[in-house]
Amino acid sequence: QVQLQESGPGLVKASETLSLTCTVSGGSISGYYWSWIRQPPGKGLEWIGYIHFSGSTNYNPSLKSRVTISLDTSKSQFSLKLSSVTAADTAMYSCARHYGSGTSWFPHWGQGTLVTVSS
Amino acid sequence: EIVLTQSPGTLSLSPGERATLSCRASQSFGSYLAWYQQKPGQAPRLLIYGASNRATGTPDRFSGSVSGAVFTLTISRLEPEDFAVYCCQQYGSSSPITFGQGTRLEIK
Repeated sequence: QVQLQESGPGLVKASETLSLTCTVSGGSISGYYWSWIRQPPGKGLEWIGYIHFSGSTNYNPSLKSRVTISLDTSKSQFSLKLSSVTAADTAMYSCARHYGSGTSWFPHWGQGTLVTVSS
Repeated sequence: EIVLTQSPGTLSLSPGERATLSCRASQSFGSYLAWYQQKPGQAPRLLIYGASNRATGTPDRFSGSVSGAVFTLTISRLEPEDFAVYCCQQYGSSSPITFGQGTRLEIK
């Protein structure tokens, strides 16, 4: 059973860059699409973007100018960078694997990691 | 962007009752919709995909349906472990993939 685990700083200063890593175990990172999803406190889920094992990416237009998702197949990891963060970026950040294509559902999720943006 | 509006925001029911949750889309996109269950401190759990297909391990008391742009998740007889937040996700368009804001199912 594939497992995903997020890691990274839980506190980021406003205007700086948020950096998180998702480590995949129990399965190959190859052949799949991998997404980052976040949930601000008390709000709904927001898809941030995905990366395919080939390296192709697709980002939410609302975040596109600040987001970079990258992949390290040798480490079975993919990463999120979100620049110029503000308090509005405070959220639980989760990584997930798509079922099939980039337009599909998410059978596999990490537990999530809370990132707080401080002023 | 496809906007998903879930209703009600909160649903108060007792174990054994039937729950009906709605997810209305701002435009039609076929049956490309999934339902998830969220509990505090846990990763979202996939329940339904393709509007009506139960994911592996989803009890058969959970069912999904669609009529036009309105998707429904029905829980036939509520068990104590079913009280949670439920959200829908559309993947008919990946620009962007969107989620509903969630329905909280609480014990009455």
